[in-house]
Amino acid sequence: QSALTQPASVSGSPGQSITISCTGTSSDVGGYNYVSWYQQHPGKAPKLMIYDVSNRPSGVSNRFSGSKSGNTASLTISGLQAEDEADYYCSSYTSSSTYVVFGGGTKLTVL
Amino acid sequence: EVQLVESGGGLVQPGGSLRLSCAASGFTFSSYAMSWVRQAPGKGLEWVSAISGSGGSTYYADSVKGRFTISRDNSKNTLYLQMNSLRAEDTAVYYCAKIPTTVFRYYFDYWGQGTLVTVSS
Repeated sequence: QSALTQPASVSGSPGQSITISCTGTSSDVGGYNYVSWYQQHPGKAPKLMIYDVSNRPSGVSNRFSGSKSGNTASLTISGLQAEDEADYYCSSYTSSSTYVVFGGGTKLTVL
Repeated sequence: EVQLVESGGGLVQPGGSLRLSCAASGFTFSSYAMSWVRQAPGKGLEWVSAISGSGGSTYYADSVKGRFTISRDNSKNTLYLQMNSLRAEDTAVYYCAKIPTTVFRYYFDYWGQGTLVTVSS
């Protein structure tokens, strides 16, 4: 069981927007602005998409955005494209002795 | 271009040991903290360990504390993970990942392609 809770799957049609949620506690997501999001295509390494809740690394499309409210962080992808189909993982700093926790991952299907 | 190339994975018996390496290039290795993250087959990501740019500070997940040791050789631009007392649940692809600061920040901006470790008799 992962420390952060994500939906197992989400789907959307090309051009639409989708949001993936990531729910934690006040010891991780809710207590710190250290939430990050990763995209992973099958058989590939993860790629950083968002860091510190809402910051985008250079080179990442502005169709990807992040936010947080209370103990839940969200990743929104607008203008869905076929290439966005992948697994998405959230991560957060945690005040527990384990430092970093991940969500269980969300499979995004572009219909 | 940042490149991270892991090696050293393979099949090992329960209770055995293995040392992973990660050769880094394309950036000033000693200026950045580094980390290991693993992914069991068909499962999600799990953070394992991190080390500061100087090597003076190390951090471990509870699941590997006391069994795994992270280290780095800045003269060789190489990160290591010594894994002892291996268990079946340590079976995973192990990714080397770069942290964008010299101290442990809690996200990873570049990842290697991973090396598979299988613990089985």
